[in-house]
Amino acid sequence: AQSVAQPEDQVNVAEGNPLTVKCTYSVSGNPYLFWYVQYPNRGLQFLLKYITGDNLVKGSYGFEAEFNKSQTSFHLKKPSALVSDSALYFCAVRGYNYQLIWGAGTKLIIKP
Amino acid sequence: SQTIHQWPATLVQPVGSPLSLECTVEGTSNPNLYWYRQAAGRGLQLLFYSVGIGQISSEVPQNLSASRPQDRQFILSSKKLLLSDSGFYLCAWSQDRASGNTIYFGEGSWLTVV
Repeated sequence: AQSVAQPEDQVNVAEGNPLTVKCTYSVSGNPYLFWYVQYPNRGLQFLLKYITGDNLVKGSYGFEAEFNKSQTSFHLKKPSALVSDSALYFCAVRGYNYQLIWGAGTKLIIKP
Repeated sequence: SQTIHQWPATLVQPVGSPLSLECTVEGTSNPNLYWYRQAAGRGLQLLFYSVGIGQISSEVPQNLSASRPQDRQFILSSKKLLLSDSGFYLCAWSQDRASGNTIYFGEGSWLTVV
């Protein structure tokens, strides 16, 4: 079965510390993986994606994600968190019918 | 560059009234278009998608319908709203769903059915 799991409902990080938002997936074949961010009462914004190539993908706002095929993971990372990074983060994988399968979202809270 | 516009931004409608949410994309042609609903500020549910004019696929049977009268216009409708239709509705587009092309979202429409 195709699925995406974001095991943490909420992640709390102090400003300036590194952050990680976890995502694991289950899909047959080579995965197409995406991260999006949603600020309150706004639409989702694309951060980055992995299609093929280098396992470390760099995206917008200083975010990066590491594709790990053996662990079927695609964790989102940032070396130094900002208060403005506080938002809802969604991981997604392309399913067999080309539609995106979405994780439930992780609320990231950065404390000053 | 491509832009997506969605309106109205907020809407309060009585139960049993009709609904029309509109979405247009600029700066591209023959986009794939999507309507999502987000309930309780979290999970995304794909409602409809369209790969061309007049071609609508429904993912979830419900009280809503979608239409694509023009290449870059996508409309979400209902003849009679239910309380359960309340939520945050997001229009989105992508260039080619068969590739790894990214889906881009509009700013969303808040619907409250009272």
